[in-house]
Amino acid sequence: DAGVTQSPTHLIKTRGQHVTLRCSPISGHKSVSWYQQVLGQGPQFIFQYYEKEERGRGNFPDRFSARQFPNYSSELNVNALLLGDSALYLCASSWGGGEETQYFGPGTRLLVL
Amino acid sequence: QKEVEQNSGPLSVPEGAIASLNCTYSDRGSQSFFWYRQYSGKSPELIMSIYSNGDKEDGRFTAQLNKASQYVSLLIRDSQPSDSATYLCAPHHYNQGGKLIFGQGTELSVKP
Repeated sequence: DAGVTQSPTHLIKTRGQHVTLRCSPISGHKSVSWYQQVLGQGPQFIFQYYEKEERGRGNFPDRFSARQFPNYSSELNVNALLLGDSALYLCASSWGGGEETQYFGPGTRLLVL
Repeated sequence: QKEVEQNSGPLSVPEGAIASLNCTYSDRGSQSFFWYRQYSGKSPELIMSIYSNGDKEDGRFTAQLNKASQYVSLLIRDSQPSDSATYLCAPHHYNQGGKLIFGQGTELSVKP
């Protein structure tokens, strides 16, 4: 079975622009979580979606938004990009929205210039 | 106090030795715990999950959990150079939307 897929793999944007990152979960999984990982730190939780509903939100500004589609894929949107948004953005897939194991995709590396 | 703290690295061990990775967490509500391995430039890969106090073994890996002490560890026996990576400890906070709270990671280097 295919694992978690994310697109694009790499992205370069300039300050003030908008970006959309995409994620497809493992087949049968209904929950998607988004994490941001800056160099040298552990991933930081941004959002969790389960059955198309937001289940949790981390300590990120309103410039960050997400949604989950009927096929359980998800998009993460970031508006008005700042240099500090440069990071590896990780999508994690799980069967449910609780304590199930989360499996990570390969990530999207975003560079903001 | 950080929510999750891991022993600072880098941790260097010779090939064949036991590597011990430690993690403490602050939220007593945490019920499930995960160890991920992350190679440089790659995404985290699940190594072990543990839910009950005590030890859980999977091949060369043993996870240990003590909820009373808010402590979880990962032992790697017969360490191999391919084990060289950053290891991330992640308690699962179910009451906070099911999110994982990651430590900063411990970099492990296994020398041949």
